[in-house]
Amino acid sequence: AQSVTQPDIHITVSEGASLELRCNYSYGATPYLFWYVQSPGQGLQLLLKYFSGDTLVQGIKGFEAEFKRSQSSFNLRKPSVHWSDAAEYFCAVDTTSGTYKYIFGTGTRLKVLA
Amino acid sequence: DAMVIQNPRYQVTQFGKPVTLSCSQTLNHNVMYWYQQKSSQAPKLLFHYYDKDFNNEADTPDNFQSRRPNTSFCFLDIRSPGLGDAAMYLCATSRDAGETQYFGPGTRLLVL
Repeated sequence: AQSVTQPDIHITVSEGASLELRCNYSYGATPYLFWYVQSPGQGLQLLLKYFSGDTLVQGIKGFEAEFKRSQSSFNLRKPSVHWSDAAEYFCAVDTTSGTYKYIFGTGTRLKVLA
Repeated sequence: DAMVIQNPRYQVTQFGKPVTLSCSQTLNHNVMYWYQQKSSQAPKLLFHYYDKDFNNEADTPDNFQSRRPNTSFCFLDIRSPGLGDAAMYLCATSRDAGETQYFGPGTRLLVL
């Protein structure tokens, strides 16, 4: 069955430190891949997406993600975290089969220490 | 700016009292989705519309219904809310299948 795994439920980093959030998926082909961020009490905001082409994708707010087919991964990175990045981050996969359905990971909650 | 709007942002209802949540979009997208998100969980798809075609997820309770009177608006009706229906309800849109979904800010539902 198709699935998305975000192994880290909580991550704490210091402001200014680098960040990597992990996402692994299980799917027979290359899906469409997304990262969303959700601040408390808010909806989901798209950070970046991968459909095809260059495997290093740039997004908003200084985030980037790298698609690695061999590892079935789409990890999110940021070189220097700001306090305002504290939020919940969701990885999502669209299996491109026309099912209209995202498969979401369970999310990673990021805490930033001043 | 083109966007997805949800009203109200917060809704309090009583156990068993019907409630309707609203979503509108200025993106002119074909597909509109309703998700339920409980605390510290991923969003769970309830159903979606492709244009006027309604698609219900197999595990969505009958208590949840939806209407899409035109391209811009979509409503979520909860016929008899239970305490377990307290959650954030997210509306999203996409131009077509396999395309990026854009989310509204959500409606937080509290059931007393």
